[in-house]
Amino acid sequence: AQSVTQLGSHVSVSEGALVLLRCNYSSSVPPYLFWYVQYPNQGLQLLLKYTTGATLVKGINGFEAEFKKSETSFHLTKPSAHMSDAAEYFCAVSGATGNQFYFGTGTSLTVIP
Amino acid sequence: GAVVSQHPSRVICKSGTSVKIECRSLDFQATTMFWYRQFPKQSLMLMATSNEGSKATYEQGVEKDKFLINHASLTLSTLTVTSAHPEDSSFYICSARVPTPSYEQYFGPGTRLTVT
Repeated sequence: AQSVTQLGSHVSVSEGALVLLRCNYSSSVPPYLFWYVQYPNQGLQLLLKYTTGATLVKGINGFEAEFKKSETSFHLTKPSAHMSDAAEYFCAVSGATGNQFYFGTGTSLTVIP
Repeated sequence: GAVVSQHPSRVICKSGTSVKIECRSLDFQATTMFWYRQFPKQSLMLMATSNEGSKATYEQGVEKDKFLINHASLTLSTLTVTSAHPEDSSFYICSARVPTPSYEQYFGPGTRLTVT
């Protein structure tokens, strides 16, 4: 069985500050891990993904995430928050067949000017 | 990247009527598409898996007679909400699995359904 836990349903940071959104997963098989961003009334946009290889993954808009197998974590970071980063962020995990994505409950990011 | 579209983006219908939502993969063929429902401020809930040429697989608790899914071609899946009621009002999102790599899914922009 696979599941995803996002700690912190709401995160607030000041503009220019570090963004850290936490994601932990449980998976009985090697997972594929994803971070998506959702703006109001829009679909999901892929930020980055981990499949194999390098555990530090760089994505769009300056975001990156590190896969830590020992900690079963895939936390999302950005060195300097921008106002446009305010959105809902979802962590997701899937298995090799991609038959199903398991989503976390989401983290709403607020950026304070 | 692969593009998935949904139509309509917003729809308002009266209680008791049916509404159809289309999900299209624009630049790739998708043998498998997925339908999700999202309540305000909540995560996505998988409703069903749609396989081209066969019956959809519904998640537990999802009424298959109420949410009719048809995947008649490799680029189109439809979700029909039959006899809609206000509690069916929600944001519906589809995704399509690319042929390779098989773990990739691309999401549509979503459809906001409001039942009055």
